[in-house]
Amino acid sequence: QQQVKQSPQSLIVQKGGISIINCAYENTAFDYFPWYQQFPGKGPALLIAIRPDVSEKKEGRFTISFNKSAKQFSLHIMDSQPGDSATYFCAASVLSSGAGSYQLTFGKGTKLSVIP
Amino acid sequence: SAVISQKPSRDICQRGTSLTIQCQVDSQVTMMFWYRQQPGQSLTLIATANQGSEATYESGFVIDKFPISRPNLTFSTLTVSNMSPEDSSIYLCSVVVRGLAKNIQYFGAGTRLSVL
Repeated sequence: QQQVKQSPQSLIVQKGGISIINCAYENTAFDYFPWYQQFPGKGPALLIAIRPDVSEKKEGRFTISFNKSAKQFSLHIMDSQPGDSATYFCAASVLSSGAGSYQLTFGKGTKLSVIP
Repeated sequence: SAVISQKPSRDICQRGTSLTIQCQVDSQVTMMFWYRQQPGQSLTLIATANQGSEATYESGFVIDKFPISRPNLTFSTLTVSNMSPEDSSIYLCSVVVRGLAKNIQYFGAGTRLSVL
């Protein structure tokens, strides 16, 4: 599997601050970049995703910035709240119309702690 | 969307025994995956289990150790055979729901396995 490199490994942010998590990929065939949020004892849940035809996607306080030439994408959490404290995983895949070829490659995760 | 139920949610097993994990989905899905997640680590794909075909295993995982059944479009099982302490991990079932413009991957809450 091609790697997706994620940083930082852990992040502590004050309430109301901006949380930024970065990912870089190698496989230029990747064309789908989701972010997953995982709370302790739960499975990962899709947070937001982007395709490479746009440079930014925003959903509420969450924004993905995408730089195709640099093969990098990042998650920005504006006005971070204690409830955002979780582990965040970036991922990448090659979308395909074939039933058996959808496979996500995950980053190693970032543990975010938002302190009051 | 898809709601995934995994059983058991956790178990403590003795070395040399086997455990079968069940995954039930509330809708019919073609693509289903089994992942392993070490505590505090990222997700590693074990195998893809599409209904109507043999499971496809990733490098480092073999059918004798992790046999998978996929009898229909809403159910699958993963067996962890002849367990050793190195098999202690979280095992996650995941499905892909295909949409008009995107596919979304959903995860179960996971089975936390400890092998003594």
